[in-house]
Parts: sequence; C-alpha cells; structure tokens
Amino acid sequence: DQQVKQNSPSLSVQEGRISILNCDYTNSMFDYFLWYKKYPAEGPTFLISISSIKDKNEDGRFTVFLNKSAKHLSLHIVPSQPGDSAVYFCAACAGFGNQFYFGTGTSLTVIP
Amino acid sequence: DVKVTQSSRYLVKRTGEKVFLECVQDMDHENMFWYRQDPGLGLRLIYFSYDVKMKEKGDIPEGYSVSREKKERFSLILESASTNQTSMYLCASRRTSSETQYFGPGTRLLVL
Repeated sequence: DQQVKQNSPSLSVQEGRISILNCDYTNSMFDYFLWYKKYPAEGPTFLISISSIKDKNEDGRFTVFLNKSAKHLSLHIVPSQPGDSAVYFCAACAGFGNQFYFGTGTSLTVIP
Repeated sequence: DVKVTQSSRYLVKRTGEKVFLECVQDMDHENMFWYRQDPGLGLRLIYFSYDVKMKEKGDIPEGYSVSREKKERFSLILESASTNQTSMYLCASRRTSSETQYFGPGTRLLVL
C-alpha cells in the first residue's frame, strides 16, 4: 500500500515558468518530508525538506509547501530551467527513524 | 563531499545465481540502506542497517539478505537470483542526526 503518492507521472513546463510537483501522503504520523531529484544513470540527490512544524520552506528557486490537514505537499520551482529536467521523488518519514517512504516519482521536462 | 559508491553499474546474472552488490560510503554514516527502484513503484526499501552487524527488514526483504561487517560497507545478497529481481538497486547512507540520505549511482541488475 503506497503511503506516499505522486499522481502525475510526468510534467512539461516552458523554461522560465513555474513548475509545481505534487505529493500526497496517507500516514498522519509522518513528520518530515523531503524532495529528491534524479537524473538518468545517477542516484537521487537531496533537494529540499520540510518539517511538519512548518508549512513552507524555501531554498533559492525551490519552495516546498506542506498542507497537513490535506496531507499534501508540493514543490515549486521558479523559474524553471532546462537543467531542472529530471525525475523528482517525494519522501516521508516518522520521527527520526530509518523507514523512509518514497513516492513513484514525477518526470519533469523543462522545454527551452 | 559525501560519496557513496556501488561496486557495479551494470550486472547480468542467470536465474539461480548468488549475487553480491557492494556499497561503500566515506562519511562515517551510521545508517545504510538498500532500495530497489522499479517503474511505477518508486523506491522501495529492502533492508537497512543502523550499526555494524545490525540490520532491519524494510518493505520488501523477501529473497534478499544483507551484511554489514564494517561501518563503511553494506552488502546486498540475492541468495538465488530470480527474473523478478531484475531492477535498479540503490544504496544510501545517512547520519543519524539528519534525515538526508545520500545515494550511490545505482546498479542495474538484469537476471536472465
């Protein structure tokens, strides 16, 4: 049973526009959320995270929003660049444990 | 800079063979992980280890075992490879004080 879901397998955005990637979760015990970016033939790399005590975290062009009541988080990339084209995974965990749950990924294509 | 290396990028094995996948991290991280990544299923946790000689099952441990004899090295063992174990295998490590995992480049395993 998938506890973290990314319902959009792919997304295409024009360069310079905003990319919004969405993620839903079912487990209300999750209290830390992360986004990873993966290029082909490479392992995922950490992008940005957010604790459940916050509803927004920003790092340069990347912002993650958390809506706990809806069990939903989103990653905003503004402005989108061709180098952002990759697969994005969201992940969640409860407490400081080692059981991380990953979504199925969204493939982002930024069109020049 | 954290580095996680995996012994092979590509492997082709026959059904029934015993397969060893090796992972080494150079940042003295306490925790190490093995995931498999399959299309439409995202990353699924096979096993993790929080200390030398310690291991815990993840979501899909069946058909796999692990070994952690040294802190920097975590091995995944397929006792008798089967075609449904054809997948991308990703190793990761993290420090206990941080939720961020650092991934290796992955091993693409094909079982014929």
